[in-house]
Amino acid sequence: KQEVTQIPAALSVPEGENLVLNCSFTDSAIYNLQWFRQDPGKGLTSLLLIQSSQREQTSGRLNASLDKSSGRSTLYIAASQPGDSATYLCAARYGGATNKLIFGTGTLLAVQP
Amino acid sequence: GAVVSQHPSWVICKSGTSVKIECRSLDFQATTMFWYRQFPKQSLMLMATSNEGSKATYEQGVEKDKFLINHASLTLSTLTVTSAHPEDSSFYICSAQLRGTGISYEQYFGPGTRLTVT
Repeated sequence: KQEVTQIPAALSVPEGENLVLNCSFTDSAIYNLQWFRQDPGKGLTSLLLIQSSQREQTSGRLNASLDKSSGRSTLYIAASQPGDSATYLCAARYGGATNKLIFGTGTLLAVQP
Repeated sequence: GAVVSQHPSWVICKSGTSVKIECRSLDFQATTMFWYRQFPKQSLMLMATSNEGSKATYEQGVEKDKFLINHASLTLSTLTVTSAHPEDSSFYICSAQLRGTGISYEQYFGPGTRLTVT
């Protein structure tokens, strides 16, 4: 069964800290992996997408890595800000054209000013 | 670019009534659209995949007669919750896959619809 889990479920850090969010997937035959941000009561904002052939992607203060063999991805946030407070979801894409996204359980991040 | 809208953004209905939610790709054509539901403090669960002009494919455990999906055009898919009950109260999110996306098959997500059944 294809499952995606995220650790920790919740995280609170002071402003300015660097932090790492973890994502694990049971089936390593992913097509790609995507990180999203979700604010309370809102939809999803795509942050980074890593193809299965890539090792990492960077966008501003965000860096996502992918290790297919170990079934893991991490999202690194540098110099965190209160505006980064949100729920972060990772999603593994399987099946190419079938395009089924399996979402992780999410990490609720709170950055304290 | 690649904007997806949903209407309504929130809706309250009485138990037993039906509710229709629209999902539109505003500036692109979507061959495939997806419907997810999200319960409070939980992740997104895929309900069904719809391709323009054909019947939707439902995930295991999702009642196709209760959650009617129509994908009549390349820019519009609708989800109708029939005979809604309080347990159907949830956050419904759609996504659309850009036609001819090629290798990335990236999905673009709508802002979600909050359904409350009283």
